[in-house]
Amino acid sequence: GEDVEQSLFLSVREGDSSVINCTYTDSSSTYLYWYKQEPGAGLQLLTYIFSNMDMKQDQRLTVLLNKKDKHLSLRIADTQTGDSAIYFCAETSGASKIIFGSGTRLSIRP
Amino acid sequence: GAVVSQHPSWVICKSGTSVKIECRSLDFQATTMFWYRQFPKQSLMLMATSNEGSKATYEQGVEKDKFLINHASLTLSTLTVTSAHPEDSSFYICSARVSSAPDEQYFGPGTRLTVT
Repeated sequence: GEDVEQSLFLSVREGDSSVINCTYTDSSSTYLYWYKQEPGAGLQLLTYIFSNMDMKQDQRLTVLLNKKDKHLSLRIADTQTGDSAIYFCAETSGASKIIFGSGTRLSIRP
Repeated sequence: GAVVSQHPSWVICKSGTSVKIECRSLDFQATTMFWYRQFPKQSLMLMATSNEGSKATYEQGVEKDKFLINHASLTLSTLTVTSAHPEDSSFYICSARVSSAPDEQYFGPGTRLTVT
């Protein structure tokens, strides 16, 4: 079945770049997503990438997709304290449902 | 952007009772709504998919007689946890989809259920 994996924790210094990695197993994925969840809140869609793209940039966010290795990453440039949250990688194929990874908790140190 | 609300935001109930959670799309009509369950420090697990006016489609391992889903209108879906047990304690999140476009599925803030 489909599976999405992420490391559980990442700690970065304020102002540095954060890179959150994700691997997935479904080779028929059409869209891959990054969601942000702040404490006690719902999920916010940060960005998504279509499976035929290699890279997508949106302000401080850069998404890289290596379809051959089924590896997705999210880079946050100039990480700020407001970026502290859990980041979920997710994918969807032809079916309607979104499969989520376990989430990476990003903490920012001064 | 589109807003999805959930009510209540948190609820405590006794074992054996039932509790209903509402999910509303406030400023759009949702063709499909999804219910997820999230355990502490874990991912979201899709429980069921519901389309307005039809029966929900449950994921494998989810008891449909325990988690009753009703999608009465294009703006409202409800999840009723029947005969709740402490192991049902969790964070329940709904999402609503406007279309099949990848950026048109919106998530509610979640409902924390504690069963004592």
